[in-house]
Amino acid sequence: DIQMTQSPSSLSASVGDRVTITCRASQGITNSLAWYQQKPGKVPKLLLYAASGLEGGVPSRFSGSGSGTDFTLTISSLQPEDFATYYCQQYYSIPHTFGPGTKVAIK
Amino acid sequence: EVQLVQSGAEVKEPGESLKISCKGSGYSFNNYWIGWVRQMPGKGLDWMGIIHPDDSDTRYSPSFRGQVTISADKSSTTAYLQWRSLRASDTAIYYCARGGNPTVIFDYWGQGTLVTVSS
Repeated sequence: DIQMTQSPSSLSASVGDRVTITCRASQGITNSLAWYQQKPGKVPKLLLYAASGLEGGVPSRFSGSGSGTDFTLTISSLQPEDFATYYCQQYYSIPHTFGPGTKVAIK
Repeated sequence: EVQLVQSGAEVKEPGESLKISCKGSGYSFNNYWIGWVRQMPGKGLDWMGIIHPDDSDTRYSPSFRGQVTISADKSSTTAYLQWRSLRASDTAIYYCARGGNPTVIFDYWGQGTLVTVSS
């Protein structure tokens, strides 16, 4: 299985801050990476696919980059509705493993 | 409108069997994968497996192979997740999600089914 790691596991930030979350795959996955957002008690929501492709309806303050083993999710200006847990997922090979998540909390 | 509607919460005892469902609508059910994702209480997302309803091609995570059965019925546009003998450690929310073809990215999700296994 491909192992996915994320850092940090949690962070505190203020509204308006620029936030960057890192995801690393245990082997190369080209750009076969998605990012999901999950708010407490809610269903996960697809934010980005193919490492940098923005899903329809997702605000442009979300962006992604990377290829191979190292990827980042950036929120350019954190908004109140962005406080949530973020998961990366590789879909390069089965099982399509998720990262452990990064919780973004209010400072 | 694409919708995945899951069956309701279940409370079971260890050793019991269970089958939960996920009904797709608003899209061509046969042309997309359906996946199942587990979320244990307070934990992250675990990818369990996927099925392509058109030919029932099924892929399991090694962690779940032999522990659950994924199936689908094209005629009712419904996918299923089944256990023969539940354990307390199966207590979790189970989500179904629609995946594209060939890249199985989960773009639409069901509302989740809470399964509680307790004696």
